[in-house]
Amino acid sequence: NAGVTQTPKFQVLKTGQSMTLQCAQDMNHEYMSWYRQDPGMGLRLIHYSVGAGITDQGEVPNGYNVSRSTTEDFPLRLLSAAPSQTSVYFCASSYSRGSLKTQYFGPGTRLLVL
Amino acid sequence: KQEVTQIPAALSVPEGENLVLNCSFTDSAIYNLQWFRQDPGKGLTSLLLIQSSQREQTSGRLNASLDKSSGRSTLYIAASQPGDSATYLCAVLNNNDMRFGAGTRLTVKP
Repeated sequence: NAGVTQTPKFQVLKTGQSMTLQCAQDMNHEYMSWYRQDPGMGLRLIHYSVGAGITDQGEVPNGYNVSRSTTEDFPLRLLSAAPSQTSVYFCASSYSRGSLKTQYFGPGTRLLVL
Repeated sequence: KQEVTQIPAALSVPEGENLVLNCSFTDSAIYNLQWFRQDPGKGLTSLLLIQSSQREQTSGRLNASLDKSSGRSTLYIAASQPGDSATYLCAVLNNNDMRFGAGTRLTVKP
């Protein structure tokens, strides 16, 4: 199993540009989520999905869109990048049932918005 | 709104010492609590998960405890090693919403 994979590893954008961060998992996990991590802060939940076709907002959803057309993939779209979105983005997945929701994280995407 | 706090923010100890990392949370209606390790420039690795009905979990030199009523968890690391140097994060799960603390950066000196 590859686990949770993310692409790209690093990206530089100009203000106003759009892009999609890719996330895929091969563990047949129902639950997938996106977090951002900023210096001195913990991870903050952006969006999550409990299954294909179902998504919901987390703590900091503004400026981001998600969709879940398959169990494996959960892309995160930046509609119009802003310098405040400079951050490290992590995708995670887990089983959605029961309290044994151990989360598995991808290696992260470092995004710099100029 | 759930808030998670980790103290201290940074800790430096000599090799071989036993140490305790602290995590507190404001809403005791949690589903579970998880401790993660993060190495510089890397993703998170799950260390221990404690279900809401459990009091502690152990894995090798690591022991995590949970006191839901007081909103506290501790991560105990026995006989610390330089390879334990990393940032340790705790996270609590309420339904589908996971909230993280800012982490404790641990340095173990040879």
